[in-house]
Amino acid sequence: DTAVSQTPKYLVTQMGNDKSIKCEQNLGHDTMYWYKQDSKKFLKIMFSYNNKELIINETVPNRFSPKSPDKAHLNLHINSLELGDSAVYFCASSQQGVETQYFGPGTRLLVL
Amino acid sequence: QQQVKQSPQSLIVQKGGISIINCAYENTAFDYFPWYQQFPGKGPALLIAIRPDVSEKKEGRFTISFNKSAKQFSLHIMDSQPGDSATYFCAASKRAGTALIFGKGTTLSVSS
Repeated sequence: DTAVSQTPKYLVTQMGNDKSIKCEQNLGHDTMYWYKQDSKKFLKIMFSYNNKELIINETVPNRFSPKSPDKAHLNLHINSLELGDSAVYFCASSQQGVETQYFGPGTRLLVL
Repeated sequence: QQQVKQSPQSLIVQKGGISIINCAYENTAFDYFPWYQQFPGKGPALLIAIRPDVSEKKEGRFTISFNKSAKQFSLHIMDSQPGDSATYFCAASKRAGTALIFGKGTTLSVSS
């Protein structure tokens, strides 16, 4: 009965590889987000997306691309991984018109 | 430019004591101010939230105090317990469906 789930929980990969992180929410929400938490625990928005609009944070490299097959899923594709991409990535969701965001358990990405 | 400033970075409190974490924001367009609690290896979870038309909100042992003119808000944890040991983040957002802008977090340790 997990509200926001992410797979995988851990991801270890080599520089230059392409990887994807999946997110699913069963809350019936229509807005989803990706946040990045760095080694100092700082949380920063990467993208927010609903069925009408993708909002891209201008500081996110275009190697990162969100893809939403439907309202319940928002995946994150990362091309040409770099050492600096190592972080914990959190998916979150909210209901339109409601500020509360619910976070997933995170995906810890380590780029070697 | 850090839009939400949080202090202290770390806090040690004895069991039964009061934990106080402070945040300040710059953007007067912010309309929603939540506090999130994060345990190691877990995603952030909403603890309590407030809007700027209210000066204080209490839920159990947790209280938010809000000073709109000073653009500051704080979290008070009464009767702090070892189970409260976690990282606490203040955040702000402009409206529903937009990004949460987080403070840098406060690591709270409650000693028994």
